[in-house]
Amino acid sequence: DTAVSQTPKYLVTQMGNDKSIKCEQNLGHDTMYWYKQDSKKFLKIMFSYNNKELIINETVPNRFSPKSPDKAHLNLHINSLELGDSAVYFCASSHPTGTDSYNEQFFGPGTRLTVL
Amino acid sequence: GDSVTQMEGPVTLSEEAFLTINCTYTATGYPSLFWYVQYPGEGLQLLLKATKADDKGSNKGFEATYRKETTSFHLEKGSVQVSDSAVYFCALTSPGNTGFQKLVFGTGTRLLVSP
Repeated sequence: DTAVSQTPKYLVTQMGNDKSIKCEQNLGHDTMYWYKQDSKKFLKIMFSYNNKELIINETVPNRFSPKSPDKAHLNLHINSLELGDSAVYFCASSHPTGTDSYNEQFFGPGTRLTVL
Repeated sequence: GDSVTQMEGPVTLSEEAFLTINCTYTATGYPSLFWYVQYPGEGLQLLLKATKADDKGSNKGFEATYRKETTSFHLEKGSVQVSDSAVYFCALTSPGNTGFQKLVFGTGTRLLVSP
């Protein structure tokens, strides 16, 4: 009965590789998010999709590409991994957010990415 | 841009002690304010929220009051337990570069409670 799930939980890879992280939610939400949490626990939004449409795209390198095949899934693909990409990546979901409205976000357990 | 400043941790307390974690914010509009908690190895969970000035959010013995005059949203609990040990994040809503609301987080404050 997991609400927001992510796979894999841990990911260790070499610099220069391409990797993907998957996220699925069974809460019936329309909006999904990716966050990056660095080694100092600082948490920052990367992307948000509403019903498969990109609505938030913060300053993130082009090597990061989110893909939403349907509104229950939001995957994150990272090309040419760099040392600085090492972090914990969190997926989250919520009911639709708007320009003047906000709904509670539910977070997944995180994926710890280590780039060697 | 909008930002959140939290006190640096860790905050170390004995069980049943009083807890305060300070949070102040800078925002151009009228944000909603939140406290999220992250237990070891888990994702974030919403602890409490306040959507307008003078609102008090409360949950599980924790409280925070939205103070517009001091731009603060300090987290308090009268008597902490070992199980409260976690990282606490203060956050606010802020319009992203596309106009949609996003969450802006503080740096987090680690709380360690000993028996």
